[in-house]
Amino acid sequence: NAGVTQTPKFRVLKTGQSMTLLCAQDMNHEYMYWYRQDPGMGLRLIHYSVGEGTTAKGEVPDGYNVSRLKKQNFLLGLESAAPSQTSVYFCASTDSDNQPQHFGDGTRLSIL
Amino acid sequence: GQNIDQPTEMTATEGAIVQINCTYQTSGFNGLFWYQQHAGEAPTFLSYNVLDGLEEKGRFSSCLSRSKGYSYLLLKELQMKDSASYLCAVSDNTGGFKTIFGAGTRLFVKA
Repeated sequence: NAGVTQTPKFRVLKTGQSMTLLCAQDMNHEYMYWYRQDPGMGLRLIHYSVGEGTTAKGEVPDGYNVSRLKKQNFLLGLESAAPSQTSVYFCASTDSDNQPQHFGDGTRLSIL
Repeated sequence: GQNIDQPTEMTATEGAIVQINCTYQTSGFNGLFWYQQHAGEAPTFLSYNVLDGLEEKGRFSSCLSRSKGYSYLLLKELQMKDSASYLCAVSDNTGGFKTIFGAGTRLFVKA
């Protein structure tokens, strides 16, 4: 059972570079989420999607873009990376808002 | 707005019982989750409450009071492997389907 798979697991970027984080789930879930986790601040929602072709902003969307072209994939893009975006990024998916979320193992991103 | 409060850290002894509290404020309450997160790992689901009362799962129990905006997670017969962060999260359907997470409570279990 793969569940939720995030790639890459680690990445170091220079300020101003761009990159895309990929999240793939094999559970046929409708809902997918991108969070960032910083020390002492818990998980903060960046963007989420309630189905293929839909996206919505979360608590901290600035500096990020997302796409959900296929139901099983949810991509998070950083167009111009900034040091403030150094964090651990988690992707999650679920059947609905009253079902538990299944998390990927996280992507540790450092921006110098 | 939405706000979730839980203690930052707690310490307990192996074999004991510990209660982790969570208070929340939200306008579109749609359920409360507890997750466990070991250091360097992803959160994993522990429990879900949408109605008032107690939900028991083995050594773990969770209780909800919607009128008080309050929940607690009870861990019995503590084991060293229970040392982790415990995240309280509220499902909110105001303006979309979102889950808001608290900052987490780091539990240290000592021998």
